Amino acid sequence: RKEVEQDPGPFNVPEGATVAFNCTYSNSASQSFFWYRQDCRKEPKLLMSVYSSGNEDGRFTAQLNRASQYISLLIRDSKLSDSATYLCVGLMNRDDKIIFGKGTRLHILP
Amino acid sequence: NAGVTQTPKFRILKIGQSMTLQCTQDMNHNYMYWYRQDPGMGLKLIYYSVGAGITDKGEVPNGYNVSRSTTEDFPLRLELAAPSQTSVYFCASSYPGTSGGDNEQFFGPGTRLTVL
Repeated sequence: RKEVEQDPGPFNVPEGATVAFNCTYSNSASQSFFWYRQDCRKEPKLLMSVYSSGNEDGRFTAQLNRASQYISLLIRDSKLSDSATYLCVGLMNRDDKIIFGKGTRLHILP
Repeated sequence: NAGVTQTPKFRILKIGQSMTLQCTQDMNHNYMYWYRQDPGMGLKLIYYSVGAGITDKGEVPNGYNVSRSTTEDFPLRLELAAPSQTSVYFCASSYPGTSGGDNEQFFGPGTRLTVL
């Protein structure tokens, strides 16, 4: 099982809809998790960190479920500008190794 | 702050040629990383460094070398370019590389390399 796994998509979602995607991880000792956003032909940028208690930033909500070993990202009232690839990232305890998932492509349709 | 800068932005190499991809950060970050991203794929870690004078192999180090003589610079060297090294190369830095919100990685704009 890959250390960090994501559905590659693409998710084609109408503007204004709510979309959610998950990321599973295999190492239960993983320490921290993040969602990065990558626009086409651009570098990845941090979207938000993921905490066990969940965190919300405007239309974006991230959750961590340690028991089931997955993290989620929820986007409400999606905008055309949300179209991007969303990368799930885990930081492993044992060696501070950072593992990137392959990303989930999201297309918001007008 | 300029953040993380990379040069060149684009490069075409012939098989067997060598080149150095430059990466510089001005945020005084201890940790620096080199990734490659093939079309439609995720990021794969090539090498990383936790501080000046220290480098370690990542997931796909073969065909590459790095050095870290200063905190700011982390060049990536390709000695004998092969078509399999055609990719987009991203350099990143973070501070301090351990728990908490300080783990954010800041990426450079990337170098698009084609080996023909």
